Amino acid sequence: QKEVEQDPGPLSVPEGAIVSLNCTYSNSAFQYFMWYRQYSRKGPELLMYTYSSGNKEDGRFTAQVDKSSKYISLFIRDSQPSDSATYLCAMRRTGTASKLTFGTGTRLQVTL
Amino acid sequence: DVKVTQSSRYLVKRTGEKVFLECVQDMDHENMFWYRQDPGLGLRLIYFSYDVKMKEKGDIPEGYSVSREKKERFSLILESASTNQTSMYLCASSFITASGSTTDTQYFGPGTRLTVL
Repeated sequence: QKEVEQDPGPLSVPEGAIVSLNCTYSNSAFQYFMWYRQYSRKGPELLMYTYSSGNKEDGRFTAQVDKSSKYISLFIRDSQPSDSATYLCAMRRTGTASKLTFGTGTRLQVTL
Repeated sequence: DVKVTQSSRYLVKRTGEKVFLECVQDMDHENMFWYRQDPGLGLRLIYFSYDVKMKEKGDIPEGYSVSREKKERFSLILESASTNQTSMYLCASSFITASGSTTDTQYFGPGTRLTVL
């Protein structure tokens, strides 16, 4: 079983929709949680970062961590065609500096 | 703006060839990483380096080696390329803060799509 599970999609939504992207994980030692966005033919770039449980909001993006359920989410409000990309969750244990464990990524397509 | 560049976007090699993938970052970052990205498997860490001449194995180091002779440059070497090493290879870098903590923000290059025939 993979440490981090993520539905690969593709997920297709109309412009303006609310998008929910999710990851589940099995290792309760993960404490730091990230979402990276990867456009086609580019490397991933960090989108959101949260520590432990709770919510974090940045513009149209909200990251949510539920450690009791080992479940993290990324919500995108008012989705735009420019949000079309692959979204990868990533996480890290305390004391393992730099070593991130990535999900497989969910491909999102926002249509006009 | 942080820039991580990789020597080639596309590379085609034959089985058994020695392959060098080069990565250069221009932000004086201490840490550098090599990943491979495959459909259904996501990003998997091959090797990382936290200082010049220092390296640590990641999750899938078999069949690969690395070299870091200068801080800005991290090379991935396939000693004898095999078809199962056909993949997208991504290089990344990150820095250590003034307090000595490693940041989780990794800056990625555009990737090298390697095909081994």
